[in-house]
Amino acid sequence: EPEVTQTPSHQVTQMGQEVILRCVPISNHLYFYWYRQILGQKVEFLVSFYNNEISEKSEIFDDQFSVERPDGSNFTLKIRSTKLEDSAMYFCASRTRGTGELFFGEGSRLTVL
Amino acid sequence: ELKVEQNPLFLSMQEGKNYTIYCNYSTTSDRLYWYRQDPGKSLESLFVLLSNGAVKQEGRLMASLDTKARLSTLHITAAVHDLSATYFCAVDVTSGTYKYIFGTGTRLKVLA
Repeated sequence: EPEVTQTPSHQVTQMGQEVILRCVPISNHLYFYWYRQILGQKVEFLVSFYNNEISEKSEIFDDQFSVERPDGSNFTLKIRSTKLEDSAMYFCASRTRGTGELFFGEGSRLTVL
Repeated sequence: ELKVEQNPLFLSMQEGKNYTIYCNYSTTSDRLYWYRQDPGKSLESLFVLLSNGAVKQEGRLMASLDTKARLSTLHITAAVHDLSATYFCAVDVTSGTYKYIFGTGTRLKVLA
């Protein structure tokens, strides 16, 4: 069964360092998303991406964040200069045009020291 | 500001009992989704509700949507321990756009 895959599963970084989280969405999906979840709490929307551009972004998604689809398969989230409060689980999701059902990856846990 | 609220936030129940989780949202939407999350795991899709009056059932879980009341319910029948998890509803902010807002989550613990 097709699935969304994310790497790395866990990354530890120093404050101020750049981090890139990678996602491979399901191959025939057209819409891509990043969400984050701090310590099992609320699932927060960061950004959506369609047709090679950002469709929506939240207040959390400031200039320190960027997304890219560098080729036909990968979808990346970059945090330029990490802060302690960026520590969270980051989930990538994708969907088709139909029901709108989101399919989530297993997540990348980011720990900023 | 769009709000998606669930209640209760925490639910501890005995096996065999019935209970309902409520999801209220503050914007117009005719698409609502329910997800399950086990501790330390990802979000697993449970139900897709695409219109007013939609009802879906899977095993001991049944979800419904009332778009006029801006309310969805997730009903648990004869709970079993395996249903212990956190349940989230998610609202498509406006139909066919690109932003889904998740509810606050309900942490369910079913006691044997």
